Amino acid sequence: QKEVEQNSGPLSVPEGAIASLNCTYSDRGSQSFFWYRQYSGKSPELIMFIYSNGDKEDGRFTAQLNKASQYVSLLIRDSQPSDSATYLCAAGGPDTNAGKSTFGDGTTLTVKP
Amino acid sequence: NAGVTQTPKFQVLKTGQSMTLQCAQDMNHNSMYWYRQDPGMGLRLIYYSASEGTTDKGEVPNGYNVSRLNKREFSLRLESAAPSQTSVYFCASTEGTSSAGANVLTFGAGSRLTVL
Repeated sequence: QKEVEQNSGPLSVPEGAIASLNCTYSDRGSQSFFWYRQYSGKSPELIMFIYSNGDKEDGRFTAQLNKASQYVSLLIRDSQPSDSATYLCAAGGPDTNAGKSTFGDGTTLTVKP
Repeated sequence: NAGVTQTPKFQVLKTGQSMTLQCAQDMNHNSMYWYRQDPGMGLRLIYYSASEGTTDKGEVPNGYNVSRLNKREFSLRLESAAPSQTSVYFCASTEGTSSAGANVLTFGAGSRLTVL
């Protein structure tokens, strides 16, 4: 079993809809959680990070964390064609080496005009 | 501000050849990382350096060596390349402190390596 599992995808939503991306993790020691977006042929870039249970909103993006269920999600409201990319969920440790995150395989999102 | 710079961007090797991937960051980050990404998969950690003068193995270190040359530079060496090492390699860095958000990875543009 992979330490970080994501929706296998691909996920397709119409423009303007809500896209929901899900992630579960197995290591209860994980303390920091990240969502990265990766366009084809490019490097990953951070969308959001979350450390505490609950919701964290940034513009059209909302990250949700439930440590009891070991579940992280990313909601994208009013999806745009420019949101079409692969979304990587990552779980990191509690210390300064949290950068050595464990990544899921990614979910590819397509937003259709 | 260039961020994280990797060289080369593309490289083709024959089995058994050696090469070094170079990485430099100008953000005064403490920690640096080498990840590989195979098609359709997430990133897997090869080696990391929590701070200048230290290096540690990640999830898939076999066949690789690293050097933290100074605070800015972290190189990855393939001593005897194998076809299984065909991948895209990403260097990344983090502040490496305990403050919130300090462990967000900033990635380089990637190095695409093909081993024939």
